[in-house]
Amino acid sequence: ETVLTQSPGTLSLSPGDRAALSCRATQAVKKNYLVWYQQRPGQPPRLLIYGASKRATGIPDRFSGSGSGTEFSLIISSLEPEDFAVYYCQQHGDSPITFGQGTRLEIK
Amino acid sequence: QMKLQESGPGLVRPSQTLSLTCSVSGASVSNYFHYWTWIRQRPGKGLEWVGYFYSSQSVHYNPSLGSRVTISVDTSSNTFSLRLTSVTAADTAVYFCASAGLDYYALDVWGQGSTVIVS
Repeated sequence: ETVLTQSPGTLSLSPGDRAALSCRATQAVKKNYLVWYQQRPGQPPRLLIYGASKRATGIPDRFSGSGSGTEFSLIISSLEPEDFAVYYCQQHGDSPITFGQGTRLEIK
Repeated sequence: QMKLQESGPGLVRPSQTLSLTCSVSGASVSNYFHYWTWIRQRPGKGLEWVGYFYSSQSVHYNPSLGSRVTISVDTSSNTFSLRLTSVTAADTAVYFCASAGLDYYALDVWGQGSTVIVS
């Protein structure tokens, strides 16, 4: 099973700041099958990034994903108030499909 | 535009069977263009993949749930369902149904979630 570890657990930033979230896998994620989601309180997750770097439909370009192998990152270039939420990575290169434990992005 | 909506009992007794249904609109569960998926989120915790149905020959479950889980599709009602047997308090969670396309297992459509308490 591929375990995903996200860091930091909590990130405290201000609107306008740049956010850098990390997702590390215990083994290489095949074909860069790495996905990022955003979850706001009381809401289902929202797809942001798939294939490690491809933005989903309707996702603003301030969100970008990168990485390969075992190291992946999600960058939010300039935080908007609505970006403060929990972010999860997920891999589907290996069975079972697994999620990271999440990074909480909070307002400083 | 596809929409998903979960339904089912909010309270299940320990050792009983949890049954949830996901109603699909805007797409057909009988085509082979989607992975029909269940995800759960325990209170205050992260996301856990439960399993998906792609076709009758392609159903995959999280091994952590063992033989307790079954996902099935009902084409007559355009729904897919989750059945989890012998539940315990550890199965208390919000259960989401979701859909992913074939190219990437990226869950791009989600239901709002159904809270199930085992007590």
